[in-house]
Amino acid sequence: IAGITQAPTSQILAAGRRMTLRCTQDMRHNAMYWYRQDLGLGLRLIHYSNTAGTTGKGEVPDGYSVSRANTDDFPLTLASAVPSQTSVYFCASSGGTSINEQFFGPGTRLTVL
Amino acid sequence: GNSVTQMEGPVTLSEEAFLTINCTYTATGYPSLFWYVQYPGEGLQLLLKATKADDKGSNKGFEATYRKETTSFHLEKGSVQVSDSAVYFCALSSSNTGNQFYFGTGTSLTVIP
Repeated sequence: IAGITQAPTSQILAAGRRMTLRCTQDMRHNAMYWYRQDLGLGLRLIHYSNTAGTTGKGEVPDGYSVSRANTDDFPLTLASAVPSQTSVYFCASSGGTSINEQFFGPGTRLTVL
Repeated sequence: GNSVTQMEGPVTLSEEAFLTINCTYTATGYPSLFWYVQYPGEGLQLLLKATKADDKGSNKGFEATYRKETTSFHLEKGSVQVSDSAVYFCALSSSNTGNQFYFGTGTSLTVIP
C-alpha cells in the first residue's frame, strides 16, 4: 500500500441499509478526514479525527458515524442510508513532515436508491 | 469564520491560452492556502501551496501568489495544455481551526486542441 486506499470503489445500496466505507493509510498520519463531494457544492467535511482515539464532527455529520481505533484506519458508517447520501466520498489524511497538506484517497462512489 | 470563494465554471479554453481561476478567502488568523487538482475519476492531488503572505506557490507551470491585502490566491498558467483539463479546488487551512480544510466549490477546466 502506498498512500490512502478506500473500499469499495463504488456501491449501489438500498435505502435503509447499513454501509461502512473503509479507509486505510500507511503514512502514519495523525489526522484523517471524510468528505463528500457533490456537484456545485465542492467538498464538505463530514467527520474528522486529529489522532487515534478521537473524532470530531465536520460540516455535515448527520447520518454518519466514524471510529478511529488505530492510526491507519478510519471507517465511515451510514447506519440507515437515505437517497440524499448519494455522493462521492473521499477520505484524506495529514501529518508527518507536511502537517498542513492533506492527501486524498481515490474515492468511493455511493448510490442510495 | 473561514470560507473560500472561487470562480464559477465551467471554463473552456483553447490549447496554449492563458488561464486565470480566481479565488478569494475569509479566514481568522493566518491561513495556509492551497490549490488542488482533480483529474476525471480520481481523488484530489495537491497542485501548489503558500503558507504566508506574498509567498508564491508554483508547480507544473501553474502559479498562485498569497495576497493578504486582497485576500486572494488566484491560479494562473501561461499556456494551458489538453492534459490540464480537470477540476481545480482552492482551499485554506488554519491552525486556529485545528488545521481543518475549507474548500471552494471547484472550477471545471476543459482545454480543447
